[in-house]
Amino acid sequence: DQQVKQNSPSLSVQEGRISILNCDYTNSMFDYFLWYKKYPAEGPTFLISISSIKDKNEDGRFTVFLNKSAKHLSLHIVPSQPGDSAVYFCAASGGYGGSQGNLIFGKGTKLSVKP
Amino acid sequence: NAGVMQNPRHLVRRRGQEARLRCSPMKGHSHVYWYRQLPEEGLKFMVYLQKENIIDESGMPKERFSAEFPKEGPSILRIQQVVRGDSAAYFCASSLDLSYNSPLHFGNGTRLTVT
Repeated sequence: DQQVKQNSPSLSVQEGRISILNCDYTNSMFDYFLWYKKYPAEGPTFLISISSIKDKNEDGRFTVFLNKSAKHLSLHIVPSQPGDSAVYFCAASGGYGGSQGNLIFGKGTKLSVKP
Repeated sequence: NAGVMQNPRHLVRRRGQEARLRCSPMKGHSHVYWYRQLPEEGLKFMVYLQKENIIDESGMPKERFSAEFPKEGPSILRIQQVVRGDSAAYFCASSLDLSYNSPLHFGNGTRLTVT
């Protein structure tokens, strides 16, 4: 049973436009959420995170929104650039007795930004 | 990603052989995590170690898999008597501490192929 779901396997966006990647979770005890970006043949790279006590966190072109009542978070990239083309993973932690580094990952969304 | 060093990058083993995967954390990091990624899947937590101690092994298969992080040297993930289902990408990550300001930094992974 997947606790973190990324229902869109892929997303294609025009350069300069907004990219919106979505993530849903089922465990209301999660207290920390992260987004990682992954290029082929490389490890995931940390992008941005948000604590469950907040509903928004912004870092440059990247903004993460958290809707706790809907158990939904999204990553907005504005403006999108071709170098943003990668697989984006949503991850969650906390609240279930696991250690802090025991992250639950979604299956990822492959973003393609076209010039 | 360059901070966490994993080797080898690619490893081919025949069924029944042993696989040893090595991970050197980022400088100053004493928390090490191992994750496994099967094709078309997200990363799955396996084990969390600090120097000489296994803290959380809730994601480790009960048999054939073991991990260590000795006082000196890299962390080792050992898979005995490998089977085809062990073929996956194995990622190591490290963190400075357990605070939310200290996200996991991943290496580029070891791709294990069992023939």
